[in-house]
Amino acid sequence: QVQLQESGPGLVKPSETLSLTCTVSGGSVSSDTYCWSWIRQPAGKGLEWIGYIFYSGSTNYNASLKSRVTISVDTSKNQFSLKLTSVTAADTAVYYCARLRWDTSGGGFWFDSWGQGTLVTVSS
Amino acid sequence: DIVMTQSPEYLAVSLGERATINCKSSRTVLDSSSNNNYLAWYQQKPGQPPKLLIYWASTRESGVPDRFSGSGSGTDFTLTISSLQAEDVAVYYCQQCYSSPWTFGQGTKVEFK
Repeated sequence: QVQLQESGPGLVKPSETLSLTCTVSGGSVSSDTYCWSWIRQPAGKGLEWIGYIFYSGSTNYNASLKSRVTISVDTSKNQFSLKLTSVTAADTAVYYCARLRWDTSGGGFWFDSWGQGTLVTVSS
Repeated sequence: DIVMTQSPEYLAVSLGERATINCKSSRTVLDSSSNNNYLAWYQQKPGQPPKLLIYWASTRESGVPDRFSGSGSGTDFTLTISSLQAEDVAVYYCQQCYSSPWTFGQGTKVEFK
């Protein structure tokens, strides 16, 4: 049973960089069956996909955030990370890391395991 | 971007009764080569992350009770809970992965009547 755990500062100042890490246990980020993703959810609102990374390092980002987002993977630590630059109050949200299962037979990408989420508040 | 629109936003259902949630995409999410709809449903309980219930519009994820079913194709989809149980009170989201960026519906909150 794979488990994911987010970690990082809960408070970030405006214009600074938000940095989060997701530690994966019970599974490997080097798997060729899964990608590793970040999703966020502002309080009381819906879900926004941020981007994903494959173990090889190839990435796909939401175009709305692409200029500010970097997702990286560290296979030696079985972790992947998110950096979001130039944050504003609009970036305040619960940030989830998730495993993205991609189906080679029938196609599609499904978020099949999630971390518990971590609240990041952008405030001075 | 493909916009996912769910209805209703709130749904009050009696214990044991049927709950039906609709999801409409702004463009088709049916892949012609695989004949699969790239549409999933998630359940989110308070204080918890979302949980995958259904993918390919109608395939239940392993371990999901069979009272949950999905249907639809192209742009119109439905999640049905055949007999609402206490543990089904949650917010339900649809999500498309046909076209990047993957997008979610705004959610439907299911409560007890």
